[in-house]
Amino acid sequence: EPEVTQTPSHQVTQMGQEVILRCVPISNHLYFYWYRQILGQKVEFLVSFYNNEISEKSEIFDDQFSVERPDGSNFTLKIRSTKLEDSAMYFCASSGNSGGAGQFFGPGTRLTVL
Amino acid sequence: KNEVEQSPQNLTAQEGEFITINCSYSVGISALHWLQQHPGGGIVSLFMLSSGKKKHGRLIATINIQEKHSSLHITASHPRDSAVYICAALTQGGSEKLVFGKGTKLTVNP
Repeated sequence: EPEVTQTPSHQVTQMGQEVILRCVPISNHLYFYWYRQILGQKVEFLVSFYNNEISEKSEIFDDQFSVERPDGSNFTLKIRSTKLEDSAMYFCASSGNSGGAGQFFGPGTRLTVL
Repeated sequence: KNEVEQSPQNLTAQEGEFITINCSYSVGISALHWLQQHPGGGIVSLFMLSSGKKKHGRLIATINIQEKHSSLHITASHPRDSAVYICAALTQGGSEKLVFGKGTKLTVNP
């Protein structure tokens, strides 16, 4: 069964450092998403991406965040200068349909900012 | 702003019991998702529905658009059903943004 994969599973970084979280969506999917979940809180939408551009982003997704699809398979989330409050689980998802339908989620990357 | 509320927050059941988890939302939606999050953190999509009812194995999801309410039912619950169940709403108007509830933590005891 096709699946979304994410690397690394756990990333520890120092405050102020840049991190790149990587995702490999399902190969024939066209819509890509990043979500985050701070420990003990609900999952929050960060950004959606289609046709090599951001289609929608939340207020959380400020100038410190960027997304990229550098090649035909990877989808990355970059945080330029990490803050303590960026510590969370980050989930990537992909879908073959628009409108958020039928999303497959990756296993998540746990980011810890010290 | 769409708010998604779930109840109960925590639910403990005995194996074999019928489980109901409720979800309500505050604005018009185009679809509602039910998701399952395992203790390790991974999220699995269970259902997406915009009207009526869907069934998959022992899981049944219903939605009432007029009442802005959805339920997830589990028949003949089993300890392996223990997880956090999350509903997430997709707002009308072509939005890609899912708005998530806080989740319901289900524990099924043998």
